[in-house]
Amino acid sequence: EAGVAQSPRYKIIEKRQSVAFWCNPISGHATLYWYQQILGQGPKLLIQFQNNGVVDDSQLPKDRFSAERLKGVDSTLKIQPAKLEDSAVYLCASSHVGNQPQHFGDGTRLSIL
Amino acid sequence: DQQVKQNSPSLSVQEGRISILNCDYTNSMFDYFLWYKKYPAEGPTFLISISSIKDKNEDGRFTVFLNKSAKHLSLHIVPSQPGDSAVYFCAARASGNTGKLIFGQGTTLQVKP
Repeated sequence: EAGVAQSPRYKIIEKRQSVAFWCNPISGHATLYWYQQILGQGPKLLIQFQNNGVVDDSQLPKDRFSAERLKGVDSTLKIQPAKLEDSAVYLCASSHVGNQPQHFGDGTRLSIL
Repeated sequence: DQQVKQNSPSLSVQEGRISILNCDYTNSMFDYFLWYKKYPAEGPTFLISISSIKDKNEDGRFTVFLNKSAKHLSLHIVPSQPGDSAVYFCAARASGNTGKLIFGQGTTLQVKP
């Protein structure tokens, strides 16, 4: 089966600019996650979707980050405006249901200048 | 508050020997634990998991041990192979949770030929 697809792989922007990431989960996976992984740390959950509804966004900085999952399939994560501390790898993961092992994409590496 | 800790940033072992990676947690509500493996520029890959009702789970060369009283788990790789060189993340999920994982900081394993 095809894995989780993410694009772009790399993005470099200046602070205060906006950026968007795209994720296509494994076919049939109802649950989709966005994680932020800062260098030297483990992934941290930003938001979790069940189909197209938000299950958990408690750690999403809502003043600058937004995410949507239209039609319960693809998802986009947006940052506007970006700050220097947003430099990280943004990982998308999916699973059949919330309590199954999550499958990760290769991530988008974001650098803020 | 780091609920999942991997106190060893790195580990180096000789090919053919045993690799032991350790993980400690603080939240007694965690009931499911997972290990992920990550190669550079790739997303984490699910390796093995264990439920809190068990104290051992084995899959080929990989075995995970859980000591609930000590809030400690470990991943044993026997025999270690150069291809096992990667970053290993321990993750935990709370009971009743929808699937949110809390990750440790990761341990970089180097297996020398």
